[in-house]
Amino acid sequence: DAGVIQSPRHEVTEMGQEVTLRCKPISGHDYLFWYRQTMMRGLELLIYFNNNVPIDDSGMPEDRFSAKMPNASFSTLKIQPSEPRDSAVYFCASSYQDRENQPQHFGDGTRLSIL
Amino acid sequence: AQSVTQLDSQVPVFEEAPVELRCNYSSSVSVYLFWYVQYPNQGLQLLLKYLSGSTLVKGINGFEAEFNKSQTSFHLRKPSVHISDTAEYFCAVKNAGGTSYGKLTFGQGTILTVHP
Repeated sequence: DAGVIQSPRHEVTEMGQEVTLRCKPISGHDYLFWYRQTMMRGLELLIYFNNNVPIDDSGMPEDRFSAKMPNASFSTLKIQPSEPRDSAVYFCASSYQDRENQPQHFGDGTRLSIL
Repeated sequence: AQSVTQLDSQVPVFEEAPVELRCNYSSSVSVYLFWYVQYPNQGLQLLLKYLSGSTLVKGINGFEAEFNKSQTSFHLRKPSVHISDTAEYFCAVKNAGGTSYGKLTFGQGTILTVHP
């Protein structure tokens, strides 16, 4: 079975540029989560969706960050304009009905470096 | 609000030795507890979870964890580690119901390094 697919795996860009991270959840999953991982702050939940609708975006750091889920099989996390402090590994995860006995399945992440 | 504290940032052990990775949590409501493992350049994988019932839960790769409500702990153990267990381990907590349904709070992670 295909897992959560994230692209690109690595992104290096200059500050001020727009960055778009992509995620394809596991088919049939109705919850999608975006996380950011850094050495300083660990793993942080940025936003999550249920049935394509954003439920909690309280972890989104600032207005430069936005996330969309136009359909059940695709989500994007966009940073515009990007800054060096946005450098991190960004993970997408999905789960089914978010029932307690259903784990979140993580993608392999996008390693983002802003120069 | 919930919080998770992993008491050791790094744990070095020799192969075939036992290991315990410590996790304490704080919450004003009932919680579900999880351990995830992250291998280099990969996402997180679920090792085991505590939802209810028996306080000793068994997971994949020979790991187990014990829920202690009075001490608000959920320590992860393995009686004999392998080189392949070298990874970062995350403890996580989720409200058992309520408005934050779905939201996991992670600890800072413990890097387990198994030496030959």
